[in-house]
Amino acid sequence: DAGVIQSPRHEVTEMGQEVTLRCKPISGHNSLFWYRQTMMRGLELLIYFNNNVPIDDSGMPEDRFSAKMPNASFSTLKIQPSEPRDSAVYFCASTSSRDRGLGANVLTFGAGSRLTVL
Amino acid sequence: DQQVKQNSPSLSVQEGRISILNCDYTNSMFDYFLWYKKYPAEGPTFLISISSIKDKNEDGRFTVFLNKSAKHLSLHIVPSQPGDSAVYFCAASGGGSQGNLIFGKGTKLSVKP
Repeated sequence: DAGVIQSPRHEVTEMGQEVTLRCKPISGHNSLFWYRQTMMRGLELLIYFNNNVPIDDSGMPEDRFSAKMPNASFSTLKIQPSEPRDSAVYFCASTSSRDRGLGANVLTFGAGSRLTVL
Repeated sequence: DQQVKQNSPSLSVQEGRISILNCDYTNSMFDYFLWYKKYPAEGPTFLISISSIKDKNEDGRFTVFLNKSAKHLSLHIVPSQPGDSAVYFCAASGGGSQGNLIFGKGTKLSVKP
């Protein structure tokens, strides 16, 4: 398995532009998570999906952020319009909630998308 | 209001010695605890975990200890190797949010040859 695949790996954009980050989870995993890593706040959960349905989006900073999961093998995180304070590394992770106990809690992360908003 | 805290941003250890990374949590509903390791430009990778019904879990050079009464866990690496140099994140799950991991801010471990 190729693992969780994220694109782009690096994105540099100007303030006000739309940014779309993409994620392909591990085949067979039915839970998908978007995390953001910054120096100040560490790794914080933005949103997670179970069986393609958003379960908890309370971590999404504001209406400029939106996430979709149109099918089991693809998710997007969109920022529109982007601002310099959105600069961070965005990680996607997946797991199988069908696993019991600890297994469901072991998330597999992608390599991340480093976003710089000028 | 952090539910999972790693109070040491960095730790430096000599090769061959023990590394001890600490983590505190506030939510008594957490029932699983995990440690992740992260190298630069890579995503976090799962290292070791422990269920709240246990107080110790060992995997090779890595041992995690859980003290529920103190809401404290620690990761011991013995012996430490230069390849262990990375950022280590403590994470917790439970309280009805299965799979939703709450992470600490991480501790950067440097193992010097």
